[in-house]
Amino acid sequence: EVQLVESGGGLVQPGGSLRLSCSASGFALSSASMHWVRQAPGKGLEYVSTISSDGFGTHYADSVKGRFTISKDNSKNMLYFQMSSLRPEDTAVYYCVRSSYWFDYWGQGTLVTVSS
Amino acid sequence: EIVMTQSPATLSVSPGERATLSCRASQSVSSNLAWYQQRPGQAPRLLIYGASTRATGIPARFSGSGSGTEFTLTISSLQSEDFAVYYCQQYNSWGLYTFGQGTKLEIK
Repeated sequence: EVQLVESGGGLVQPGGSLRLSCSASGFALSSASMHWVRQAPGKGLEYVSTISSDGFGTHYADSVKGRFTISKDNSKNMLYFQMSSLRPEDTAVYYCVRSSYWFDYWGQGTLVTVSS
Repeated sequence: EIVMTQSPATLSVSPGERATLSCRASQSVSSNLAWYQQRPGQAPRLLIYGASTRATGIPARFSGSGSGTEFTLTISSLQSEDFAVYYCQQYNSWGLYTFGQGTKLEIK
């Protein structure tokens, strides 16, 4: 059974940093592209970032480019999201997502709150 | 960037009736279109991919159609658990994914 479990969310001040983790089980991370999708409170889904199955290809939404970094450790089956220079508008639930092409498995999400 | 526009924003339907949700892409995405359901407090769940293929475990009352720029999600006979928010998403190009703003399906 495929499972994705996010961790690392919390309250951080504007300008601060946070690293999210996603533990994957039931499949090999080396076999799938992985993504982060976020959802601000009461809002819709926003695509944020992608990493390829081999880890060499990455993509970021303009809203986070240059501030956030996606990475993974295939040997540990772990996905990461390093977030820096955080802004209040980054406040959201962050979902770890697996894809074939479509987004087929989602974690339960971890809440990041950026506030002073 | 491909913009996905869903309509209506809110749809009020009675249990047992049919619901039809629409999604339009600003340019062709072929059949690279998925639908997701999100119940309150839960993560999104994949319903439909390839515009018309039901994901594993999705009931037959859910159906998708369309290609190019116009897509439809139909729920043939609404059950209580179907009242939720629905999102469409295009995945036509790797890394260039976009979601629609969502349609809230509420009980009439």
